Amino acid sequence: EDQVTQSPEALRLQEGESSSLNCSYTVSGLRGLFWYRQDPGKGPEFLFTLYSAGEEKEKERLKATLTKKESFLHITAPKPEDSATYLCAVQFFMEYGNKLVFGAGTILRVKS
Amino acid sequence: ETGVTQTPRHLVMGMTNKKSLKCEQHLGHNAMYWYKQSAKKPLELMFVYNFKEQTENNSVPSRFSPECPNSSHLFLHLHTLQPEDSALYLCASSQEQGEDSPLHFGNGTRLTVT
Repeated sequence: EDQVTQSPEALRLQEGESSSLNCSYTVSGLRGLFWYRQDPGKGPEFLFTLYSAGEEKEKERLKATLTKKESFLHITAPKPEDSATYLCAVQFFMEYGNKLVFGAGTILRVKS
Repeated sequence: ETGVTQTPRHLVMGMTNKKSLKCEQHLGHNAMYWYKQSAKKPLELMFVYNFKEQTENNSVPSRFSPECPNSSHLFLHLHTLQPEDSALYLCASSQEQGEDSPLHFGNGTRLTVT
């Protein structure tokens, strides 16, 4: 079953048009939720870690928030250079240790 | 050099070839990982090494063979691959497996099996 679901699968924005990406998860025992940015031909680059509901982190035009069952990555007034695939990953506690599960990602295209 | 470095960046191999992927990290981390990334699918964990010891093999076919000679280096040996093995192979490292610290990824090896 899908434990981490990202939506939408793809998103096209005009430059300056703010929007949000969603990462929902069905696991319990959350240890941390991670957001990554991946440019074409490159590996994922770490953006944020969120540990508990209500927590928020910001970096330039990006703001990540966390609730008990989902996280949002808000993009304010995006620029073309924000175009990338955004991945979220959830780390949760299991009997034999922590497990990290990735979502399939959201492909963001920002047009000027 | 800093970060996680993977070589080669691109690899084309026939189904009967033997090749190896190399990963090196300069972050002083103790855990190293191999992931497979296919289009529109979540990253698939293949292997984990923590302090040079293999701690996870995620039901990976034996045609993939990992090697971790020390905490800074990780290899993935490939032999008799199938076309469906074509993908981006990512190496990552973290401070220690199971901790809440993020993974740091290399830029991957784009593998094409013909």
